[in-house]
Amino acid sequence: GAVVSQHPSRVICKSGTSVKIECRSLDFQATTMFWYRQFPKQSLMLMATSNEGSKATYEQGVEKDKFLINHASLTLSTLTVTSAHPEDSSFYICSARDLSGGHTDTQYFGPGTRLTVL
Amino acid sequence: GQNIDQPTEMTATEGAIVQINCTYQTSGFNGLFWYQQHAGEAPTFLSYNVLDGLEEKGRFSSFLSRSKGYSYLLLKELQMKDSASYLCAVMDSNYQLIWGAGTKLIIKP
Repeated sequence: GAVVSQHPSRVICKSGTSVKIECRSLDFQATTMFWYRQFPKQSLMLMATSNEGSKATYEQGVEKDKFLINHASLTLSTLTVTSAHPEDSSFYICSARDLSGGHTDTQYFGPGTRLTVL
Repeated sequence: GQNIDQPTEMTATEGAIVQINCTYQTSGFNGLFWYQQHAGEAPTFLSYNVLDGLEEKGRFSSFLSRSKGYSYLLLKELQMKDSASYLCAVMDSNYQLIWGAGTKLIIKP
């Protein structure tokens, strides 16, 4: 089945620094990728929809200048948390939509990146 | 390798009961999650099991057997709004989520 990877799997950084998280679709091309944030035992909160070659669409309440998203190719989207603060500590999960073979509604989820801001 | 298996699609009748199975093989185990996802929406958290046994929450129950690498999600008194994809995910020893491909549940009147 389709595989989505994230890098790094975990990162610890100091307050005020920026952190970049990569999301890759390994065996399919994804024109659309999604970035989620998950709090313990809670639903995934959609942060933004990343579209290859165009600007990301952010959900209400998500600061686009703080969470920079770049979808430069059909297999890679990046999320950069700028000037990170302790309240940004969370588990960030990406997913990619596979449109090949008629799988129009299939989303494949990445393993997540645990960010800890000190 | 790490693997999560769940049926691709299931069909059930409104008012009935359905059980969605999930089997897993992972590097370590730090809990199993069930999510519900309606088309075009973000996954909604349903349950988290880390100990063996049955956890009941309203119409939904989730069961875990760590020795068998097996879980199921039981949905009772099915309603049309329960038509959705149900995702099984296991957190491994590195606290990474390993996702199943999801089970599309179709409810018929």
